[in-house]
Amino acid sequence: DIQLTQSPSFLSASVGDRVTITCRASQGITKFVAWYQQLPGKAPKALIYAASTLQSGVPSRFSGSGSGTEFTLTITSLQPEDFATYYCQQLESYPLTFGQGTRLDIK
Amino acid sequence: EVRLVESGGGLVQPGGSLRLSCVTSGIYFSSSYMGWFRQAPGKGLEWVANIRFDGSESYYVDSVRGRFTISRDNPQNTLFLQMNSLRAEDTAVYYCARYVRGGLQYFDFWGQGTLVNVSS
Repeated sequence: DIQLTQSPSFLSASVGDRVTITCRASQGITKFVAWYQQLPGKAPKALIYAASTLQSGVPSRFSGSGSGTEFTLTITSLQPEDFATYYCQQLESYPLTFGQGTRLDIK
Repeated sequence: EVRLVESGGGLVQPGGSLRLSCVTSGIYFSSSYMGWFRQAPGKGLEWVANIRFDGSESYYVDSVRGRFTISRDNPQNTLFLQMNSLRAEDTAVYYCARYVRGGLQYFDFWGQGTLVNVSS
């Protein structure tokens, strides 16, 4: 199984800040990493797929990059609606797995 | 408008069974791979199972294999998850989602979730 480790697990930031979340895999992944945003009590929402492709309708302040065992999600100029929990997911092989999540709070 | 609506959750005793349904609209269900996920209270997301568009192949996380069965009714645009021999650790909100493949690989549309509570 491919294990994913996100860092940090908790992040405190202010509106307008730039933040980066890292997702490290226990073995190499070609490109099948997705990122999701989850607001409290809501279903996950896809942000990024294939490591760096922005899902339709997602603001361009979100971006993804990476390959191999390290992937990142970057949010530039944080907006109030961005304070949520973020998860990476690998879809390289079964079982599909998630990172433990990164909770982004307002400072 | 795309909609995925789960139902069938509730309170069940350990060892009991539940059948979850996910009724879809606005997607080409019969050509879509689908999946189930769950999220225990205060915990992260966990993938549970996937099913091929025609129902001919399915995949499970180890912790539910042999107890849960994913299936689908394409004419009714509905996905199912039959859950047997339920345990306290199966308590979670269960989500269905569409799995986009073809070199993209991600889940694009999600339902709102249904809560399963396994308790005596």
